[in-house]
Amino acid sequence: EIVMTQSPATLSVSPGERATLSCRASQSVSSNLAWYQQKPGQAPRLLIYGASTRATGIPARFSGSGSGTEFTLTISSLQSEDFAVYYCQQYNNWPPPYTFGQGTKLEIK
Amino acid sequence: QVQLVESGGGLVKPGGSLRLSCAASGFTFSDYYMSWIRQAPGKGLEWVSYISSSGSTIYYADSVKGRFTISRDNAKNSLYLQMNSLRAEDTAVYYCARSTTYGDYLVYWGQGTLVTVSS
Repeated sequence: EIVMTQSPATLSVSPGERATLSCRASQSVSSNLAWYQQKPGQAPRLLIYGASTRATGIPARFSGSGSGTEFTLTISSLQSEDFAVYYCQQYNNWPPPYTFGQGTKLEIK
Repeated sequence: QVQLVESGGGLVKPGGSLRLSCAASGFTFSDYYMSWIRQAPGKGLEWVSYISSSGSTIYYADSVKGRFTISRDNAKNSLYLQMNSLRAEDTAVYYCARSTTYGDYLVYWGQGTLVTVSS
């Protein structure tokens, strides 16, 4: 099973600043990586797939990069609604499970 | 628009059973892979089970293998999760989610249903 490790566990950033979240895979997942955002009491929402493609309706301030084992989610200028928990998920290995990272909580500084 | 509505959660004693349902609408259900994902209170996401569009391919997380059964009824646009021999560690919000037609990332999620296993 591929293990996904996210860092940091908690990130404190001021509104308007840039946030950079990391995700590392225990073995290569090519570009088969997705990012999800989850706000308290809500279901997760797909942000990024294919490591760098924004899902429908996702603002351009969200960007993803990386391939292989190292991935980054960048939020260029944080808005109040961006403070949430972010999860990465690999979907490279077949058969499933398509494992998730443990999450990064993005909080207001 | 795509809607996924879970139901069937509740309080159950250890060793008991529960059947979750997910009613899908707004898309051609029979074209898509579906999954169940759970989230224990205050914890992260755990993929639980996965079923192909036809129902012919099924996978489970090791933590539920032999106890949970995923199924679907394409005529009723519904996904199910039969949960037997429930344990305290199965306590979680259970989400159903739709993948792409290739069964990869999770494009749409339901709002979840809470399962509590406690005596």
